[in-house]
Amino acid sequence: DGGITQSPKYLFRKEGQNVTLSCEQNLNHDAMYWYRQDPGQGLRLIYYSQIVNDFQKGDIAEGYSVSREKKESFPLTVTSAQKNPTAFYLCASRRREVLSLAQTFFGQGTRLTVV
Amino acid sequence: AQTVTQSQPEMSVQEAETVTLSCTYDTSESDYYLFWYKQPPSRQMILVIRQEAYKQQNATENRFSVNFQKAAKSFSLKISDSQLGDAAMYFCAYGADFGNEKLTFGTGTRLTIIP
Repeated sequence: DGGITQSPKYLFRKEGQNVTLSCEQNLNHDAMYWYRQDPGQGLRLIYYSQIVNDFQKGDIAEGYSVSREKKESFPLTVTSAQKNPTAFYLCASRRREVLSLAQTFFGQGTRLTVV
Repeated sequence: AQTVTQSQPEMSVQEAETVTLSCTYDTSESDYYLFWYKQPPSRQMILVIRQEAYKQQNATENRFSVNFQKAAKSFSLKISDSQLGDAAMYFCAYGADFGNEKLTFGTGTRLTIIP
């Protein structure tokens, strides 16, 4: 079945450590996105990529990094510079054609907790 | 920059009754899309309904309908015959197929269904 797979579902990190969240899609989508969700703040865009080897900062990129070496994969690294990394992280993807915004697919999310 | 505002953090409704969730947005674009997403306790994002700004007719999907007021930049969601399975967080979102091509979300409304 086609879809987006995020792993792991739950992740624990010690303070000062970097951690990488995985996002893989087999939908042949060009565009991929990372959102962060906190209680009372909705979903905020961290990074997005519209083509391989290119990505742009979203609204809250500080303390995060990404790569897009393959069309199918868009991993997110939460670095030690991120002051408050405990949150729920959602990955999304879509085609880039016009009128495709409604076909935005979301993964199941990763809950990151700093311990 | 586009903004989306949901002024009702929480709403409740009796089962089988009707409830309306509010959303306002700000944009300088003339062509764009508006969405309502549902996020149940599983945290999977589910598209409920979408509205293209160029369409005057309000979108309807079974028990879900919207009241789109373009001049007022208002986009409310009406749920008729509320069911227990409708209990979730509901997010209003804005997107355009040009420019930065991302979805901008509101802060969400938590809907509780009272049996």
